[in-house]
Amino acid sequence: DIQMTQSPASLSASLEEIVTITCKASQGIDDYLSWYQQKPGKSPQLLIYDATSLADGVPSRFSGSRSGTQYSLKISRPQVDDSGIYYCLQSYSTPLTFGSGTKLEIK
Amino acid sequence: EVQLVESGGGLVQPGRSLKLSCAASGFTYSNYVMAWVRQAPTKGLEWVASISTGGGNTYYRDSVKGRFTISRDNAKNTLYLQIDSLRSEDTATYYCAKHGGYYFDYWGQGVMVTVSS
Repeated sequence: DIQMTQSPASLSASLEEIVTITCKASQGIDDYLSWYQQKPGKSPQLLIYDATSLADGVPSRFSGSRSGTQYSLKISRPQVDDSGIYYCLQSYSTPLTFGSGTKLEIK
Repeated sequence: EVQLVESGGGLVQPGRSLKLSCAASGFTYSNYVMAWVRQAPTKGLEWVASISTGGGNTYYRDSVKGRFTISRDNAKNTLYLQIDSLRSEDTATYYCAKHGGYYFDYWGQGVMVTVSS
């Protein structure tokens, strides 16, 4: 199984900061990597797919990148509404595996 | 508008069975791979199973193989998850999800399954 090591587990940031969340894959996944935001009591919402493509309706302050087998989600000038839990997902091979999640608080 | 609406959850005793349903609308259901993803209380997301467009190919995580069966009815635009021999560790919110490609582009609101005596 491909392991997705996500960090940090939690993060508090201000409105002026740049937030970066990373997921490192245990092997190559050919950019079959997506990012999701989940708010309390709600279902996850797609943010980024294929490592760098922005999903429909997602603000441009969200972006994705890759360096080797490490994938990153960046939020530039986050808004209070960006608070929530963020997950990465690899879909290169089954079992599909999620990262452990990052709880983000925007102050 | 894409909609995925799950149903069939509830409180079930260990060892019993349950069948979840997911009614899909707003897209050509038969053209898309579908999946179930679950989330135990206060825990992260866990992929459970996926099914090909025609239903002929199914994929499961190891921990549910032999107990869970994913299926679909393309005439009824409905996805199913039959869960047998329920265990306490199956307690979770179960989400129906649409594969957009190599990602999930739409999710249902989730249905809770609680396994307890």
